[in-house]
Amino acid sequence: KAGVTQTPRYLIKTRGQQVTLSCSPISGHRSVSWYQQTPGQGLQFLFEYFSETQRNKGNFPGRFSGRQFSNSRSEMNVSTLELGDSALYLCASSWEAGGDTDTQYFGPGTRLTVL
Amino acid sequence: QKEVEQNSGPLSVPEGAIASLNCTYSDRGSQSFFWYRQYSGKSPELIMFIYSNGDKEDGRFTAQLNKASQYVSLLIRDSQPSDSATYLCAVNTRGNYQLIWGAGTKLIIKP
Repeated sequence: KAGVTQTPRYLIKTRGQQVTLSCSPISGHRSVSWYQQTPGQGLQFLFEYFSETQRNKGNFPGRFSGRQFSNSRSEMNVSTLELGDSALYLCASSWEAGGDTDTQYFGPGTRLTVL
Repeated sequence: QKEVEQNSGPLSVPEGAIASLNCTYSDRGSQSFFWYRQYSGKSPELIMFIYSNGDKEDGRFTAQLNKASQYVSLLIRDSQPSDSATYLCAVNTRGNYQLIWGAGTKLIIKP
């Protein structure tokens, strides 16, 4: 079974631009969560989607948005990029986040650099 | 606010010894507990999960859960240099659509 895939793997943008990141979950997984990780920092939760609905959102500004499609693939968008948005963006999929033993499996991440 | 606490380390352990990693959580309603390993520049990978009090063993790894004291630990036996990584603890509460993550403990295994 194929794992979680994320595209692109690396991205370089300049301040003020916007970016869209893509995540394809493991086949059959319906929940997709997004995280931001900066050097030396833990995982900062962005949002979680299930069946095209955002069920939970972290404490990030409105510049960060996402969506999920009917095939469970998900995208996240960051508008008006700032230098502080440089980070590793991780996508994780699970059968249904919130289940007793539901496990999240991570993609390889997209490393975003904002110049 | 629900919190998961881990000692940031680094925790230095000699090769072949037992590495002990600890995690405490604040929400008594927490149901499931996960340990992930993350190598520098890579994404987290699942080591194991536990949801019942007691010990759960998987190869060289043992997870220990004590819900009364609200802590979960991970023991790594016969530590190898390849075990050097950051270990993340995550906690799930029924009906809460996100995992709550600790900041991670950096483990260094010295040859």
